[in-house]
Amino acid sequence: DIQMTQSPSTLSASVGDRVTITCRASQNINIWLAWYQHKPGKAPNLLIYKASTLESGVPSRFSGSGSGTEHTLTISNLQPEDFATYYCQQYNNYPWTFGQGTKVEI
Amino acid sequence: EVQLLESGGGLVQPGGSLRLSCAASGFTFNNFAMNWVRQAPGKGLEWVSGISGSGANTYYADSVKGRFTISRDKSKTTLYLQMSGLRVDDTAVYYCAKDRFSGSFSPFDQWGQGTLVTVSS
Repeated sequence: DIQMTQSPSTLSASVGDRVTITCRASQNINIWLAWYQHKPGKAPNLLIYKASTLESGVPSRFSGSGSGTEHTLTISNLQPEDFATYYCQQYNNYPWTFGQGTKVEI
Repeated sequence: EVQLLESGGGLVQPGGSLRLSCAASGFTFNNFAMNWVRQAPGKGLEWVSGISGSGANTYYADSVKGRFTISRDKSKTTLYLQMSGLRVDDTAVYYCAKDRFSGSFSPFDQWGQGTLVTVSS
């Protein structure tokens, strides 16, 4: 199985900050990586797919990059509604696997 | 508007069984693979199982293989997860999730609100 390792596990930031989350895969997943935002009590929300494609309706302050085993999610100009937990997910090989999550907090 | 509505969660004893349902609407159900993803209390997201649009192909996480069975009913546009041999560590909120694209290599673009399964004696 492909292991997905996110860093950091927790990130303290302020409104207006630029933050970066890293996701490393244990093997090559090409560009088959997605990023989700998850808030307590709500359904996860797809932000980015195919490593860098912004999902429709997602603000442009979210961006993704990477290929192979190294991927990043960047949030520019952090907004109050962005405080949440973020997960990467590979869909290159079954079983699909998620990173352990990165909690972005104030 | 796409809607995914899970049901069937509840309290079950270790070793017991439960069947989850996910009623889907607002899209052509047969065209998209569907998935179950869970989140244990205080933990992250874990993909559990997936099924192709036709239902011909099914996939499972190692942690549930041999105990859980995914299926879908075209006429009822409903996804199922039959869970047996339940263990305490199966306790989680279970979400159904729709593939973004038809075919392979797709993330999940629509999720239900989740149903809680608690395995406890």
